[in-house]
Amino acid sequence: GAVVSQHPSRVICKSGTSVKIECRSLDFQATTMFWYRQFPKQSLMLMATSNEGSKATYEQGVEKDKFLINHASLTLSTLTVTSAHPEDSSFYICSARAGLASETQYFGPGTRLLVL
Amino acid sequence: GQNIDQPTEMTATEGAIVQINCTYQTSGFNGLFWYQQHAGEAPTFLSYNVLDGLEEKGRFSSFLSRSKGYSYLLLKELQMKDSASYLCAVSDSNYQLIWGAGTKLIIKP
Repeated sequence: GAVVSQHPSRVICKSGTSVKIECRSLDFQATTMFWYRQFPKQSLMLMATSNEGSKATYEQGVEKDKFLINHASLTLSTLTVTSAHPEDSSFYICSARAGLASETQYFGPGTRLLVL
Repeated sequence: GQNIDQPTEMTATEGAIVQINCTYQTSGFNGLFWYQQHAGEAPTFLSYNVLDGLEEKGRFSSFLSRSKGYSYLLLKELQMKDSASYLCAVSDSNYQLIWGAGTKLIIKP
């Protein structure tokens, strides 16, 4: 099956710093990658959808200047949480999809962010 | 609006069978997915249905009725490791996934 990796798996940072999370599709080319956030005991919340080579589409209520997404290649997307605050502490999960003809989203293992 | 409904929580006994239902109302339909998510982990893909009927994959089966806007995930010979949340998601006309809130399945010995 398709493999998606995420790095780092866990990060602790001070308030005000920026954190970059990488998402890679290891054995397929991902035309579309998705970034989700999940708070404890809550549902997955889609933050943004990114297509390779174009600007990400953000969901309502997600600040594009705070959550910077770069989908520079068909195998890599990055999410940068800028000026992180304690309320940004969450489980961030990426997923990747090869294309419309292969619509299954495969998830990375997630990144647990704790902002002190 | 778009809506996915599934029970919040279910309890079943080890070795038994459990059926998790999902009903949906979406703008367009391009398939229905079931994912499993263990606590503290990311979701893993279980099944995909785009045509009516039953898809069997080992101990897990998934059923779809497009006319009824209904699907279920059937888990047989339950094992303790099946304790997890099961997420139903529908791909709409724009190929965007609409997610249900998930069903927490508790397996008791």
